[in-house]
Amino acid sequence: GAVVSQHPSWVICKSGTSVKIECRSLDFQATTMFWYRQFPKQSLMLMATSNEGSKATYEQGVEKDKFLINHASLTLSTLTVTSAHPEDSSFYICSASDQRGNTEAFFGQGTRLTVV
Amino acid sequence: AQSVTQPDIHITVSEGASLELRCNYSYGATPYLFWYVQSPGQGLQLLLKYFSGDTLVQGIKGFEAEFKRSQSSFNLRKPSVHWSDAAEYFCAVGRLSGTYKYIFGTGTRLKVLA
Repeated sequence: GAVVSQHPSWVICKSGTSVKIECRSLDFQATTMFWYRQFPKQSLMLMATSNEGSKATYEQGVEKDKFLINHASLTLSTLTVTSAHPEDSSFYICSASDQRGNTEAFFGQGTRLTVV
Repeated sequence: AQSVTQPDIHITVSEGASLELRCNYSYGATPYLFWYVQSPGQGLQLLLKYFSGDTLVQGIKGFEAEFKRSQSSFNLRKPSVHWSDAAEYFCAVGRLSGTYKYIFGTGTRLKVLA
């Protein structure tokens, strides 16, 4: 299957700072990428959908000024958590799809964010 | 609205016993259906998927799942569980409104007794 790589796999940052998470499709062109958030022992909640070259579409209740998503190329999307606070600590997972035919979305390995 | 229900939050089975994890979905058309497994602190690993065709699909690690349209179900099964199968299992519905926007169930945590 196709490979999606997330970086970093874990990050610790101070409250009030911003942190950027990268999601790369390594062997296919990802026209669409998705960002999910997973609280401890809970399911994955879709935060936003981003199409290459367009503004991201955020799910209801997700602050777009807090979670900045950029999808400037067909292989890279970034999620920036701005002015992070402890309540932003979570596991963030991206997925990517080329939206063609009977393909599926492929998931990155996730990023554990801890805000102290 | 689309939704995925995994009725069992926790399941405990003995090693070697059979396993069935339940998944029900609510979606107007035939969705794409997936089962993923997640070990603690790790990402998702795809076990199997159903897009169309044969309603009994085989996956990795000896897992299989059966799509039953009449019951809106996609239950995951394994005839003999191994201790290494202990993990969190997520059912997901995809390809909604022409995109690969997934909706995940709440997950079932599997514990395996030696």
